[in-house]
Amino acid sequence: QVQLVQSGAEVKKPGASVKVSCKASGYTFTSYGISWVRQAPGQGLEWMGWISAYNGNTNYAQKLQGRVTMTTDTSTSTAYMELRSLRSDDTAVYYCARCLWSGPSDYWGQGTLVTVSS
Amino acid sequence: EIVLTQSPGTLSLSPGERATLSCRASQSVSSSYLAWYQQKPGQAPRLLIYGASSRATGIPDRFSGSGSGTDFTLTISRLEPEDFAVYYCQQYGSSPTFGGGTKVEIK
Repeated sequence: QVQLVQSGAEVKKPGASVKVSCKASGYTFTSYGISWVRQAPGQGLEWMGWISAYNGNTNYAQKLQGRVTMTTDTSTSTAYMELRSLRSDDTAVYYCARCLWSGPSDYWGQGTLVTVSS
Repeated sequence: EIVLTQSPGTLSLSPGERATLSCRASQSVSSSYLAWYQQKPGQAPRLLIYGASSRATGIPDRFSGSGSGTDFTLTISRLEPEDFAVYYCQQYGSSPTFGGGTKVEIK
């Protein structure tokens, strides 16, 4: 069965960076991409970007350009999302999800809470 | 960027009733690249509908989607207790965006 398992919760200070991992299993990793979506406490969903696990092509949300980097490691079927220069409003649950480019997100990770606080 | 506006913000209904949720786009959504997700507290979203009207794997047929262009609807024909949740629409074209969500609560 398809599973996406994310790394554990993080607490970071403003200005720091965080790197969240997402390990995929149950399907051919390079046949899909991974999208990243975040959700601030009590708020809605925000699309952050997408990476192709086949060739590493990325598409980032404009508001995060320059602060976010998405990568994959095909040897371990793991996707990573790094967010730099963290601010308090980056506090959110971060989700990875499997999807094709221009496709819906059909399987989701369990979410990783990132708290940014001094 | 395509802005998706969901209405109503909250829908108060009883089990067995019909729920109709709306998602309006600021510009036409290409090729009906419109999905609906359900999210319960403390859980990740779950894909319900894609391509505006196709049910995802394992989704009961009481969930249906319709619409095209800028106006889309998610209908739950008869609410079951487990359907009370928040529902989001998403357009997944070149720069995906989500709507703000509709909470379906027990009346």
